[in-house]
Amino acid sequence: QVQMVESGGGVVQPGRSLRLSCVASGFTFSSRGMHWVRQAPGKGLEWVAVIWYDDTNKYYSDSVKGRFTISRDNSQNTLYLQMNSLRAEDTAVYYCARHDHFYGMDVWGQGTTVTVSS
Amino acid sequence: DIVMTQTPLALSVTPGQQASISCTSSQSLLRSGEETELYWYVQKPGQSPQLLIYEVSNRFSGVPDRFSGSGSRTVFTLKISRVEADDVGLYYCMQGIQFPYSFGQGTKLEIK
Repeated sequence: QVQMVESGGGVVQPGRSLRLSCVASGFTFSSRGMHWVRQAPGKGLEWVAVIWYDDTNKYYSDSVKGRFTISRDNSQNTLYLQMNSLRAEDTAVYYCARHDHFYGMDVWGQGTTVTVSS
Repeated sequence: DIVMTQTPLALSVTPGQQASISCTSSQSLLRSGEETELYWYVQKPGQSPQLLIYEVSNRFSGVPDRFSGSGSRTVFTLKISRVEADDVGLYYCMQGIQFPYSFGQGTKLEIK
């Protein structure tokens, strides 16, 4: 079945870096755009970034632009989020989500938790 | 950037009654006379968000017909008829017409 599994979360000090991964299965990963969405503790959903199926376009929220980089390896069915210069306000559960032209974000992973704290 | 505003932020509904959530966008979500890029998601306790409604009024696969969406351009509504205990969760609207995508603040549905 269609599935995405995130990993790479953890506790990290402010200013440090972390890379999240999202491994997809059950569909043709290389034909789908992919998103990262996050949710701070007790807060709502915040869209973070998107990457086109063929890596030709990437967009970011203003809150992460210049610090985070979305990328993908279609040969490994894997989506990445490189997070640099982390701040306390980046503490959140990070979800990857599949893009569909009609459905928007139609399938979500279970999330991975990032805690930025000294 | 497009701002999405939901009301109410919380509601408590008796089982079997109807729940209604409103969502407004700061810009039209109608894409050049074609589809309207408004989506509804629900996040049940301890779970990831899941798609309910796409393009304003279309139920996603497996979503009961108790859920219905309506609206146009900047004003949208999600209705849940005959609310059940399993409907408890946070409901979000989201615009997908331009980046950055944006969500409403979320509406917490509780059962009386």
